[in-house]
Amino acid sequence: AQSVTQLGSHVSVSEGALVLLRCNYSSSVPPYLFWYVQYPNQGLQLLLKYTSAATLVKGINGFEAEFKKSETSFHLTKPSAHMSDAAEYFCAVSDPGGDDKIIFGKGTRLHILP
Amino acid sequence: GAVVSQHPSWVICKSGTSVKIECRSLDFQATTMFWYRQFPKQSLMLMATSNEGSKATYEQGVEKDKFLINHASLTLSTLTVTSAHPEDSSFYICSASDRYSGNTIYFGEGSWLTVV
Repeated sequence: AQSVTQLGSHVSVSEGALVLLRCNYSSSVPPYLFWYVQYPNQGLQLLLKYTSAATLVKGINGFEAEFKKSETSFHLTKPSAHMSDAAEYFCAVSDPGGDDKIIFGKGTRLHILP
Repeated sequence: GAVVSQHPSWVICKSGTSVKIECRSLDFQATTMFWYRQFPKQSLMLMATSNEGSKATYEQGVEKDKFLINHASLTLSTLTVTSAHPEDSSFYICSASDRYSGNTIYFGEGSWLTVV
């Protein structure tokens, strides 16, 4: 079974500082990996996804993530945090050869300090 | 771009009644749709996979008789919460797979259910 583990349910960074949200995956097959963002009382927004092409994936709002097979990781980064980045971030995984089912991690709440 | 729409966005119902939530793919055909629920400040938990024209596949621990899923057309799946109780209050989100666009998954905006 596939799963993702997000390290840290809450992460706080200062405005302008580097954002690093950690995600490790478990999968018996090469996976598809995703990062979603959810603002309070809203639905999900796809930030970026890895689908076995380039290992460094660039997404929206200045976010990017790097697929590292040796570390089974897919950490999300942004060079400079903005107040508007405060939200809940979910890492997710799916099996490319499966039924498109997406399994989510528990989420990480990102707090931006002024 | 492709859009998945859920209706209603917010519903309040009395305990013991049933409530239906619709999930529509507005500009693509979705042979597969997924239903998730999200409790406050928690992650999304997959409830079931909805396949057009066949029975839904439920995840372990999800009561299929309580959460009825119907996927009667390529653009519509419905989730009916039967005999709702306060503990069913949650945020329900659907997603749909567009097989003609590289199996891209699109999420709906979610539906808030409050059972009083």
